[in-house]
Amino acid sequence: NAGVTQTPKFRILKIGQSMTLQCTQDMNHNYMYWYRQDPGMGLKLIYYSVGAGITDKGEVPNGYNVSRSTTEDFPLRLELAAPSQTSVYFCASSTGNQPQHFGDGTRLSIL
Amino acid sequence: GEDVEQSLFLSVREGDSSVINCTYTDSSSTYLYWYKQEPGAGLQLLTYIFSNMDMKQDQRLTVLLNKKDKHLSLRIADTQTGDSAIYFCAETSVVGNKLTFGGGTRVLVKP
Repeated sequence: NAGVTQTPKFRILKIGQSMTLQCTQDMNHNYMYWYRQDPGMGLKLIYYSVGAGITDKGEVPNGYNVSRSTTEDFPLRLELAAPSQTSVYFCASSTGNQPQHFGDGTRLSIL
Repeated sequence: GEDVEQSLFLSVREGDSSVINCTYTDSSSTYLYWYKQEPGAGLQLLTYIFSNMDMKQDQRLTVLLNKKDKHLSLRIADTQTGDSAIYFCAETSVVGNKLTFGGGTRVLVKP
């Protein structure tokens, strides 16, 4: 099993550009999550999903969108990139109340 | 809302024990977690404790939970240089298994 795979690992965007961060998991987990980690801080929840077709906002959803058309994939979209979205983005998955498994992260800089 | 607090920094000599402390606010949390993050890397699950337990031991790691005071601690015995990292505690929500992270404790192990 590959676990949770995030692509790309690094990306530099210009202000106003859009992009999609990809996340896929091969563990058949129902629950998937997107977090962001700003320098020197803990992780904050952006969006989460408890199953295909179901998504919900976390603590910091503004400026992002998600979709969950399959169990495996949970892409995160930035429509109009802003410097405040410079961060490291982590995707995670779990079953029910079991521990979350994290991907290696996507380091995103917006200039 | 939920809030998780940790001290920022801990310095310890190699071979000594490290104790990292955490306080949380959500008394309905089902599980409490400790994650480790090395520089430039993702989050590695170290250990976790169910909320109806007060202690869990896993090799060099001991987790203590004081549910009355909402206090969680992680003790690392015989601390090694490879234990230098940032340690995050996190609590889970009942709905959605969402994690709320503390800001992380940077542990520096000196030879």
